[in-house]
Amino acid sequence: EPEVTQTPSHQVTQMGQEVILRCVPISNHLYFYWYRQILGQKVEFLVSFYNNEISEKSEIFDDQFSVERPDGSNFTLKIRSTKLEDSAMYFCASRRASYGTDTQYFGPGTRLTVL
Amino acid sequence: AQKITQTQPGMFVQEKEAVTLDCTYDTSDPSYGLFWYKQPSSGEMIFLIYQGSYDQQNATEGRYSLNFQKARKSANLVISASQLGDSAMYFCALTTSGNTGKLIFGQGTTLQVKP
Repeated sequence: EPEVTQTPSHQVTQMGQEVILRCVPISNHLYFYWYRQILGQKVEFLVSFYNNEISEKSEIFDDQFSVERPDGSNFTLKIRSTKLEDSAMYFCASRRASYGTDTQYFGPGTRLTVL
Repeated sequence: AQKITQTQPGMFVQEKEAVTLDCTYDTSDPSYGLFWYKQPSSGEMIFLIYQGSYDQQNATEGRYSLNFQKARKSANLVISASQLGDSAMYFCALTTSGNTGKLIFGQGTTLQVKP
């Protein structure tokens, strides 16, 4: 069964450093998302991406964040200068259509720890 | 504004019994969908069940069913014959046709199944 994959599973970085989180969505999916979950809290939407551009972003997704689909398979989230409060689990998700019964499938997540 | 509310931070259920996890939602979009995801302690997000606003029947997937009451704006998850492996955090999420397919999550309910 196809699945969304994410690397690395855990990333530790120093405050102020840049990190890139990588995702490989399911191959025939067209809509891609990043969410984050601070420990013990709910899952929060960061950004949606379709047709090689951002279609929607939340207020969390400020200028420190960027997304890219550099080739036909990878989907990346870059945090330019990490802060302590960026420590969270980051989930990538994809779906075939933006609405309807198509399920949004999540990757296993990347746990980011900022020291 | 779109919102999901899960009012039960924690629930206990005896193994083999049924349990209902509550979810209420708010949206002005007449076309929307509701998802339930399971998050075990390992952290991944596992899709359980989906209900569309125009679906005539309540969704069912194996031991999971959704008690959808549109007038009351509730979409409660019913797990029948609970198993120890059902112990996890459960999230209800909303998507609407007017957005990019992003999911808006509730705070989650922690379910513990007792042997």
